[in-house]
Amino acid sequence: QKEVEQDPGPLSVPEGAIVSLNCTYSNSAFQYFMWYRQYSRKGPELLMYTYSSGNKEDGRFTAQVDKSSKYISLFIRDSQPSDSATYLCAMRKANSKLTFGKGITLSVRP
Amino acid sequence: GAGVSQTPSNKVTEKGKYVELRCDPISGHTALYWYRQSLGQGPEFLIYFQGTGAADDSGLPNDRFFAVRPEGSVSTLKIQRTERGDSAVYLCASSLTGLAGAYEQYFGPGTRLTVT
Repeated sequence: QKEVEQDPGPLSVPEGAIVSLNCTYSNSAFQYFMWYRQYSRKGPELLMYTYSSGNKEDGRFTAQVDKSSKYISLFIRDSQPSDSATYLCAMRKANSKLTFGKGITLSVRP
Repeated sequence: GAGVSQTPSNKVTEKGKYVELRCDPISGHTALYWYRQSLGQGPEFLIYFQGTGAADDSGLPNDRFFAVRPEGSVSTLKIQRTERGDSAVYLCASSLTGLAGAYEQYFGPGTRLTVT
């Protein structure tokens, strides 16, 4: 079993939909939780970063962490065609390497 | 420069050849990471530098892979006797470091390596 499991895709939604992306993890030593967005043939771009359990909101994006359940989520409200990309969850301990999920490809249809 | 840069952006080489991939981190970032991303997968860790030294090289798949960062800035990933299975996108990331460990990693665009 991998340390980080991400819901498989691909995912296709109409413009304006609410999108929910999820990951689970097994290593309770992970302290920092990230979501990266990756466009085709580009490097991952940091989208959201959280440390503690709870919700963090940034515009249309909300990151949720539940350390007791070892579960993280990313919600995208009012999804736009420009949100079409691969979304990667990632997590790490302090000053350490990132462990990524497999990624999920999201397509937002106009 | 403003971000992490990597050269070349694409590299095609023949099986058995030697390749070098270069990473220029964000100025002032003391930590540098190399990851490898195969098609349809998330990036997988290769090696982490803190300054000039390799703090964690547990992700290097075998002794054909080697990386250096001689002056604590630019890093080079070296692959000897390349194999077709080495074909992937090689990503570099850099970050600040500190006692809190809270600094995030910023990625370059990657080098797409194809071994024929």
